[in-house]
Amino acid sequence: GAVVSQHPSRVICKSGTSVKIECRSLDFQATTMFWYRQFPKQSLMLMATSNEGSKATYEQGVEKDKFLINHASLTLSTLTVTSAHPEDSSFYICSAREGPVATNEKLFFGSGTQLSVL
Amino acid sequence: QKEVEQDPGPLSVPEGAIVSLNCTYSNSAFQYFMWYRQYSRKGPELLMYTYSSGNKEDGRFTAQVDKSSKYISLFIRDSQPSDSATYLCAMKDNNFNKFYFGSGTKLNVKP
Repeated sequence: GAVVSQHPSRVICKSGTSVKIECRSLDFQATTMFWYRQFPKQSLMLMATSNEGSKATYEQGVEKDKFLINHASLTLSTLTVTSAHPEDSSFYICSAREGPVATNEKLFFGSGTQLSVL
Repeated sequence: QKEVEQDPGPLSVPEGAIVSLNCTYSNSAFQYFMWYRQYSRKGPELLMYTYSSGNKEDGRFTAQVDKSSKYISLFIRDSQPSDSATYLCAMKDNNFNKFYFGSGTKLNVKP
């Protein structure tokens, strides 16, 4: 299957700092990438949909100024958690869809980033 | 009503057992169906991908889709302790750029 690389895998930061998480599709072009947040023993919560070359679409309740998403190329999307606070501590996972619309709807995930804000 | 319903478990079985994991859904427009395996603190790994109704087999895994009943299943034969993980079903339609996930079923295969 296709490979999605996500870095860093774990980050610990002080309250008030910003953290950038990178998501790369290594062997395919991803016009669409998704960012999820996952709390312990819970399923994936979609935060935003990132389309290459355009603004991200955020889900209701997700602050776009807090969670900045950039999808500047077909293989890279970044999520920046600005002015992080302890309540932002969570497991963040990116995913990328292989193939253009309606021909191949497989979704591949990165390995996740555990963010801990002190 | 959630778009996708999945029993959270936990489901505990002895090694070698046949495991059946299930999801139901409400949106008849869903056409793409996937099963993912997620180990603790890791990203989900794609196990099975199906487009149409019927069965699809890959090694010890069989994915089954019944669109008329809006019901999908994942069967694991000869289950191993290494299969212990959370299994997520996911689905999508043609109309919207969004995937819908079940809440995940936690499986424990005891040696």
